[in-house]
Amino acid sequence: AQSVAQPEDQVNVAEGNPLTVKCTYSVSGNPYLFWYVQYPNRGLQFLLKYITGDNLVKGSYGFEAEFNKSQTSFHLKKPSALVSDSALYFCAVRGANLAAGNKLTFGGGTRVLVKP
Amino acid sequence: SAVISQKPSRDICQRGTSLTIQCQVDSQVTMMFWYRQQPGQSLTLIATANQGSEATYESGFVIDKFPISRPNLTFSTLTVSNMSPEDSSIYLCSVEDPAGVWGDTQYFGPGTRLTVL
Repeated sequence: AQSVAQPEDQVNVAEGNPLTVKCTYSVSGNPYLFWYVQYPNRGLQFLLKYITGDNLVKGSYGFEAEFNKSQTSFHLKKPSALVSDSALYFCAVRGANLAAGNKLTFGGGTRVLVKP
Repeated sequence: SAVISQKPSRDICQRGTSLTIQCQVDSQVTMMFWYRQQPGQSLTLIATANQGSEATYESGFVIDKFPISRPNLTFSTLTVSNMSPEDSSIYLCSVEDPAGVWGDTQYFGPGTRLTVL
């Protein structure tokens, strides 16, 4: 079975400071890892993904994430947070093998609050 | 990325009634999914809907409660039947087209916010 843990329900950061949202995962075989963001009363927006290749992946709105296989982590980062980054962030995983299908498993979500 | 629309965007329904949610995507996709997001919670997959086959339901979800149609490669419906207040959630559809330009990324619709009284 595959699973995702987002250990922090909420992250508070001052505008201009670095933002990190943590994610660890468990999956059989190689992972496909994703980050999504949900603004109030909106659907999920895709931010970035890791499939293969460089461990550091860059995505939308200045976000990046680092895949760490030994620590089974995929933390989301932004060097300088904006007030507009305040939202709910979800990490998701699925296995690369066909037996896993294309089913995504989501973490519980982390609410980010960026204060001016 | 895909442009996905859902109708209705929100609804308030009486218990015991049914609601059909529509999901429309602007291009043909092989895979469509339906998720539920209960208040303050994460997303839970209800079922996978592929054109030309019966939907595949996840544990805890049954066809009688959540019948799904997938008549073509751009459209799907989810019906929430015999509703109770516990069905109050956001229902989201997503699409994926592994052989297409988006590769292995699922894109989500804006969601349907359902409140059952």
